[in-house]
Parts: sequence; C-alpha cells; structure tokens
Amino acid sequence: EADIYQTPRYLVIGTGKKITLECSQTMGHDKMYWYQQDPGMELHLIHYSYGVNSTEKGDLSSESTVSRIRTEHFPLTLESARPSHTSQYLCASSEYEGETDTQYFGPGTRLTVL
Amino acid sequence: GDSVTQMEGPVTLSEEAFLTINCTYTATGYPSLFWYVQYPGEGLQLLLKATKADDKGSNKGFEATYRKETTSFHLEKGSVQVSDSAVYFCALSGGSNYKLTFGKGTLLTVNP
Repeated sequence: EADIYQTPRYLVIGTGKKITLECSQTMGHDKMYWYQQDPGMELHLIHYSYGVNSTEKGDLSSESTVSRIRTEHFPLTLESARPSHTSQYLCASSEYEGETDTQYFGPGTRLTVL
Repeated sequence: GDSVTQMEGPVTLSEEAFLTINCTYTATGYPSLFWYVQYPGEGLQLLLKATKADDKGSNKGFEATYRKETTSFHLEKGSVQVSDSAVYFCALSGGSNYKLTFGKGTLLTVNP
C-alpha cells in the first residue's frame, strides 16, 4: 500500500489568493492524480500525470494547474482562488499490482474560499 | 463511454444486519472493478478489487463478485458494525488509460 501525504489538511483563505496544495508519495509510483470531490460526494478527475514532466487535464475542467518535476511530488496550484473553488481535493497515485493498476489516495485537503 | 451506477443512499442499518450495496457498470472490454470506502474526514481507502469475471474480492468481512453476465459488482457484508459507517464507492478501470470511473457513492449509517 502507498504512503501519500497531502498538506494542508484544511485551508481557509480569502478570494483572490494564490494557493498551492501539496501532494507527495514515497512509493515511487509513476502515475498520480488529482480529484475534486463535491459536497454531494461525487468525485471528478481534474488532473493526472503518467510521470515526470507529464501532465494532462482530467474529465472535469478546472482552473487549477499542476506540475510534475519530481516523481514523488505533484502539487496543485490555484492562481486566484474563488468561492466556487471551495471543495475537497484528493490526491492519488497508482501502481500495477494484482493484474491491474490500483490507485491509492491521500487524506485530502478541504479548501474553503471566503 | 464507461459508467458506474450504484445504489442511491443513504442506507441506514442496525448493527449485525446484512448489507448489500448494488453496483452495475457499462464498459467496453474487460474492466477491473473496485470498491473504495471513505470514512468521515478522510480520503478513499481501497476495500477490495476484482480483475476478471467470476473473481471474488474480499476484505474485512466485505465481499464482491465480478459478474460479467449481469455487469455487476455488488458489495455485501454479513454483519455490519457501527464502525462500518462510511461512504462506499464502486469504480471501474478499463482500457489502457489507467483512469478510474466512479459511481456517485452510497452513504451507509449503522446504528447500535
């Protein structure tokens, strides 16, 4: 099982601030993902990466951006936060095991934009 | 495209009751199937998975069988506990893009 860390766990900020949500994993997984979870619990893939210097947009359009300069690190940045960005953000990484690629999740960051 | 439909909640049970959460899917090819659990204030944890037809995944008393003929992967537990109260997500992974398609989640509350 993967060790995935997300910081901060909770963040309350004002509109217009720039923020970076951190995600790190210690298992050397090549593939990493960011999900946004709305209050109704539904999960939406917003970014993913298959390795260093690889980033792709997910199924849900997002104003956030990501970078993957190191294998273990996949930060998400919002240049100018708005109340509509209030949500739970979950990071995951995956490895091929047991005949399939399996994703493991971090504890999440709950973001509130006032 | 791929999709997952799971039982709408919330589901409320008494301790020691039998649990079933239905999950059906639509996918091309032969997807892998997963159940994840999310406890309050936490991220998702892998509960169990199955990679081919008739496989049974099991963990912590939970079971699910990959049924290709009915395109289903229903989650079951014989006797739930208060500590099983959580949101349960069914998901599939198909093709070569490694992405997961999730159901909308089912909130389970178990009362003592």
